[in-house]
Amino acid sequence: DQQVKQNSPSLSVQEGRISILNCDYTNSMFDYFLWYKKYPAEGPTFLISISSIKDKNEDGRFTVFLNKSAKHLSLHIVPSQPGDSAVYFCAASVYNNNDMRFGAGTRLTVKP
Amino acid sequence: DTAVSQTPKYLVTQMGNDKSIKCEQNLGHDTMYWYKQDSKKFLKIMFSYNNKELIINETVPNRFSPKSPDKAHLNLHINSLELGDSAVYFCASSQKRVAGQETQYFGPGTRLLVL
Repeated sequence: DQQVKQNSPSLSVQEGRISILNCDYTNSMFDYFLWYKKYPAEGPTFLISISSIKDKNEDGRFTVFLNKSAKHLSLHIVPSQPGDSAVYFCAASVYNNNDMRFGAGTRLTVKP
Repeated sequence: DTAVSQTPKYLVTQMGNDKSIKCEQNLGHDTMYWYKQDSKKFLKIMFSYNNKELIINETVPNRFSPKSPDKAHLNLHINSLELGDSAVYFCASSQKRVAGQETQYFGPGTRLLVL
């Protein structure tokens, strides 16, 4: 039962353009959402998070949007850079519960 | 300085063997985890552990057991390895700053191949 879904396995964008990565979830109890970035042969690294009490969180070129009614979140990267090329995982957790659920990841390729 | 480290990075072994993967974190975190990334690339939690509580994902076979000699280490022991155990195993740690909201920091992964 995949409670966190990333339906696009890959995304390719041109350098300087916006990258939009999407994530859907089914468990309405989730109240904390994160994006992780993963390079080959490395572990995932934390990128940005958002609590369910917010609908937007921004950190430099990265913005996460949360639409609770649609159970959907997205990660926007503007402008995209070749170094952003990686696999991006969406993750979600429930208050006071260590059980974090991950999506399958979206491979982003930013072309120079 | 590596925050979360795992050894070995690669592990190739025969079916039926017993093996261990070590994990150490130098972040001072109080909770550690083991994840398995399967062939479909899903990251699935296997265990979470702090000095008070071990939480086991009920789908994890009892051939897998975590051992924590101290707060900075959580090792993964696997008995009677099977072909289906081949995967990448990630260790992670976290420190709750706000109750229920935490960021997990991951190790580089251990690629296990069972022949």
